[in-house]
Amino acid sequence: SQQGEEDPQALSIQEGENATMNCSYKTSINNLQWYRQNSGRGLVHLILIRSNEREKHSGRLRVTLDTSKKSSSLLITASRAADTASYFCATALVSGSARQLTFGSGTQLTVLP
Amino acid sequence: EAGVAQSPRYKIIEKRQSVAFWCNPISGHATLYWYQQILGQGPKLLIQFQNNGVVDDSQLPKDRFSAERLKGVDSTLKIQPAKLEDSAVYLCASSPTRGGGAANSPLHFGNGTRLTVT
Repeated sequence: SQQGEEDPQALSIQEGENATMNCSYKTSINNLQWYRQNSGRGLVHLILIRSNEREKHSGRLRVTLDTSKKSSSLLITASRAADTASYFCATALVSGSARQLTFGSGTQLTVLP
Repeated sequence: EAGVAQSPRYKIIEKRQSVAFWCNPISGHATLYWYQQILGQGPKLLIQFQNNGVVDDSQLPKDRFSAERLKGVDSTLKIQPAKLEDSAVYLCASSPTRGGGAANSPLHFGNGTRLTVT
């Protein structure tokens, strides 16, 4: 079963606008990661936020983590057509001797020129 | 650095046939993952290797799927026999081992193999 669930499933915005995607999860995590996937390609890592961190920035990306609400958000500022892609959150759990990374079902972002 | 290499890029087979996928991870990456991504869904972990040992294969359908990572480098994933529901993209990923475990590091993905079972 999916640990993280993204919301919304699909988002369409105009170039220059900000895009916000949310991720909710169910169990305690070690860290949460966001990935981007362009059509027909593999996933590309964007940012990793640890459970003891609340906010992280990378270029036009801002990620927040609220462990009390078991949720995270990804904000892309000043969006560009090239940001069109699917965005996935992935939660890192600790289970026995394995360190699992479980992906959500993704948000499809379309940025219109 | 060179990325994760996967082949073939596309494969079309009939049900009950067998198929194999190959993955070459980033040099020096000890952890290798195989994920299955069905259209419209997120990737689902099939198997995780640490060097040449399996650390998690709990979601691998072992009656038809098998994977190996000889010498702790390249890996192959095999399906035999294939079913219609195996149609998906099979993604290979690798990560370096850091203190605290593999999931504390970002994963580096290949472009995947798109499998269509007819």
